[in-house]
Amino acid sequence: GENVEQHPSTLSVQEGDSAVIKCTYSDSASNYFPWYKQELGKRPQLIIDIRSNVGEKKDQRIAVTLNKTAKHFSLHITETQPEDSAVYFCAASKSNFGNEKLTFGTGTRLTIIP
Amino acid sequence: DAGVTQSPTHLIKTRGQQVTLRCSPKSGHDTVSWYQQALGQGPQFIFQYYEEEERQRGNFPDRFSGHQFPNYSSELNVNALLLGDSALYLCASSLRTSGYNEQFFGPGTRLTVL
Repeated sequence: GENVEQHPSTLSVQEGDSAVIKCTYSDSASNYFPWYKQELGKRPQLIIDIRSNVGEKKDQRIAVTLNKTAKHFSLHITETQPEDSAVYFCAASKSNFGNEKLTFGTGTRLTIIP
Repeated sequence: DAGVTQSPTHLIKTRGQQVTLRCSPKSGHDTVSWYQQALGQGPQFIFQYYEEEERQRGNFPDRFSGHQFPNYSSELNVNALLLGDSALYLCASSLRTSGYNEQFFGPGTRLTVL
């Protein structure tokens, strides 16, 4: 089955600097890659996603890049703010509709230092 | 428009007991997926229900079973509880026939097995 690895497990960044989280996946058939943000005690919330026919997607301060050949994708957060502090999970899915099962990484705890 | 709701919020059981968790999907959604999130880990897929049938199953034993009702709500049942079943159980809903892939998560049910 699919295996998703995520690095680093913890990341501390000065406010205003950029943060990068990386994931690799094993199943070349995976075609949908969402990123979820989970604040303490709250539900995971989708912050950005990318499909395999796209190499990069950006939404304000957040961007995701995908390298299908290398089977890895990354989350980039620029101009970090204290409210960006949370646990971030990458995930992979293989489905044209993407609402098949998600295989998650182990998470990255991001701390923004004021 | 209510999002995904789950009940109960917290639950304490003892080993060997049985538990039922409930999920109501976001309005308009027809697919419900269940995930188990152990402390400090990413969510792990248990199974997915669509049209009242189990469509996909993750690597969980038969002690984990589910049901989907005609109104698309769902239940997760766990029999013969083990200490290792202690986790946050998340429900996610989606619309299977849509071209948009996002799975919306509920707030979860925190299950503690003593």
